[in-house]
Amino acid sequence: GENVEQHPSTLSVQEGDSAVIKCTYSDSASNYFPWYKQELGKRPQLIIDIRSNVGEKKDQRIAVTLNKTAKHFSLHITETQPEDSAVYFCAASIQGFVNQFYFGTGTSLTVIP
Amino acid sequence: GAGVSQSPSNKVTEKGKDVELRCDPISGHTALYWYRQSLGQGLEFLIYFQGNSAPDKSGLPSDRFSAERTGGSVSTLTIQRTQQEDSAVYLCASSYGTSIYEQYFGPGTRLTVT
Repeated sequence: GENVEQHPSTLSVQEGDSAVIKCTYSDSASNYFPWYKQELGKRPQLIIDIRSNVGEKKDQRIAVTLNKTAKHFSLHITETQPEDSAVYFCAASIQGFVNQFYFGTGTSLTVIP
Repeated sequence: GAGVSQSPSNKVTEKGKDVELRCDPISGHTALYWYRQSLGQGLEFLIYFQGNSAPDKSGLPSDRFSAERTGGSVSTLTIQRTQQEDSAVYLCASSYGTSIYEQYFGPGTRLTVT
């Protein structure tokens, strides 16, 4: 089955700096890669996703890059703000008949004011 | 419209008892997922439903865990003979199922086995 690894497990950055979280996956058939943000005590929410036919996607301060050959994808947050502090989860999925999602172990991001 | 709801929000049970956790997905969402999140840990995939069918049950931790979904809507996760290691937050999520894959998570059920 699919194995998703996520690094780092914790990340602290100064407000205004950039943050990068990286994930690798094992199954080359995976074709959909979402990122979820979970604030303390709240439910995970989708912040951005990318499909395997695209190499990069941006949404304001957030971007995701995908390298299918190397089987890794990354989340980039620029101009970080204190409200970006949360746990971020990457996931890999094979969209089709069986829509299983395999999540990484999460990255706890702290943005220091 | 209403989001994904789960009940109960908290459940404390004695070791060895059975528990049922309920998930009401967003209306029209054909896909439904169950995850387990232990304290400070990631999201452990348990089971996925497309309609009423569960194509893969291999994520269930043991045969004490079972899940069903009826009418393509409500799902129940049942844990029999609960153990202390079952203590966790159980999250349910639903998605449209085809073409649009964003998962909408419920608030979770916090299960504590004493």
